[in-house]
Amino acid sequence: IAGITQAPTSQILAAGRRMTLRCTQDMRHNAMYWYRQDLGLGLRLIHYSNTAGTTGKGEVPDGYSVSRANTDDFPLTLASAVPSQTSVYFCASSDLAGEYNEQFFGPGTRLTVL
Amino acid sequence: GQNIDQPTEMTATEGAIVQINCTYQTSGFNGLFWYQQHAGEAPTFLSYNVLDGLEEKGRFSSFLSRSKGYSYLLLKELQMKDSASYLCALMDSNYQLIWGAGTKLIIKP
Repeated sequence: IAGITQAPTSQILAAGRRMTLRCTQDMRHNAMYWYRQDLGLGLRLIHYSNTAGTTGKGEVPDGYSVSRANTDDFPLTLASAVPSQTSVYFCASSDLAGEYNEQFFGPGTRLTVL
Repeated sequence: GQNIDQPTEMTATEGAIVQINCTYQTSGFNGLFWYQQHAGEAPTFLSYNVLDGLEEKGRFSSFLSRSKGYSYLLLKELQMKDSASYLCALMDSNYQLIWGAGTKLIIKP
């Protein structure tokens, strides 16, 4: 089934630990994105990648890093987690040459940092 | 800068019509999106407007006025399954999406 998968579904993490959230898409989209969603706030862009081998910073990049070694995978790493990184994280992808360039979202990862 | 405003919550009755408004200020504009997000789930694409006017898609329609910085999503013949949050997002000059906080729509029987 075509789409985006994320892992893990949820995670409880001790502060100071390193964590990588995984994201894989099989739609051959060139662009991929990581967002966090917090209650009362809109989705906020953390990092993005317009094509394999390139990445860019979004609105809230501090404390996060990404890599885009190939088209399908776009992992997000928290080097040393802090409680303010407790959130729901969504990965998304889009075809920049598509008619609408709409973004397709993965199911999300619910992360709690204690 | 960029800013998007939409109501926090709205309530409507099953079978009725509801209009969810979105106003924005932006220095660059490449279209406006509406997404639906059920509680605990991912956002899903509903509509896209880049030119002024109304786009109709079944029970859902979306309107855009670029000069007024205004859009609305119109939902007709409301069903209980339409209870969700509706997210307005504008695509800026860098083709990134700037998201509103969302409008939680509650449908009552």
